[in-house]
Amino acid sequence: QTVVTQEPSLTVSPGGTVTLTCASSTGAVTSGYYPNWFQQKPGQAPRALIYSTSNKHSWTPARFSGSLLGGKAALTLSGVQPEDEAEYYCLLYYGGALVFGGGTKLTVL
Amino acid sequence: QVQLQESGPGLVKPSQTLSLTCTVSGGSISSGGYYWSWIRQHPGKGLEWIGYIYYSGSTYYNPSLKSRVTISVDTSKNQFSLKLSSVTAADTAVYYCASGVGATTIDYWGQGTLVTVSS
Repeated sequence: QTVVTQEPSLTVSPGGTVTLTCASSTGAVTSGYYPNWFQQKPGQAPRALIYSTSNKHSWTPARFSGSLLGGKAALTLSGVQPEDEAEYYCLLYYGGALVFGGGTKLTVL
Repeated sequence: QVQLQESGPGLVKPSQTLSLTCTVSGGSISSGGYYWSWIRQHPGKGLEWIGYIYYSGSTYYNPSLKSRVTISVDTSKNQFSLKLSSVTAADTAVYYCASGVGATTIDYWGQGTLVTVSS
């Protein structure tokens, strides 16, 4: 069974920069896994942020960026705002199937 | 912009079949290009992809749920549906419908609907 792993929790100060990562149990994550990133706040549905590694949706704030880093997919938040406190999920494509990571709880403190 | 709305019973008895429908507005399922997904989230837990369907009717399911899942599409009503058979308490979750351009992306989400499995 394929497992996608994210940091369980991270803490960042307002105005700071933080990078969340997404690893695959099958090996290095490449662009062929088409990494997606989502933000979910309590009581809300997830919201799409990034698709195909680094592409932003029209509603995605500029401070969010996606990349590949050291064999993992990565989501970087630059100039973190208090409203960025949320759970973040990655999603990888495995030739048909989609698998979510376990999520990273980001605290802005 | 595509909007999605889940509907269906909020309470299902164990061993029965969970049935949900997602109504799509702001876009046509039959126009092609989009894949229509079901995703669930157990209380306090992460997201689990259940499966998706293309307007042509082709489907792909999560291998761990494949034996119990059926996703279908009704292009005349601009809806797609989920059936999950032989449910247990472990199927209690918020169920989301979602859409994406191609099979590799999820762009839009419904608001989600809580389904509780209990006698």
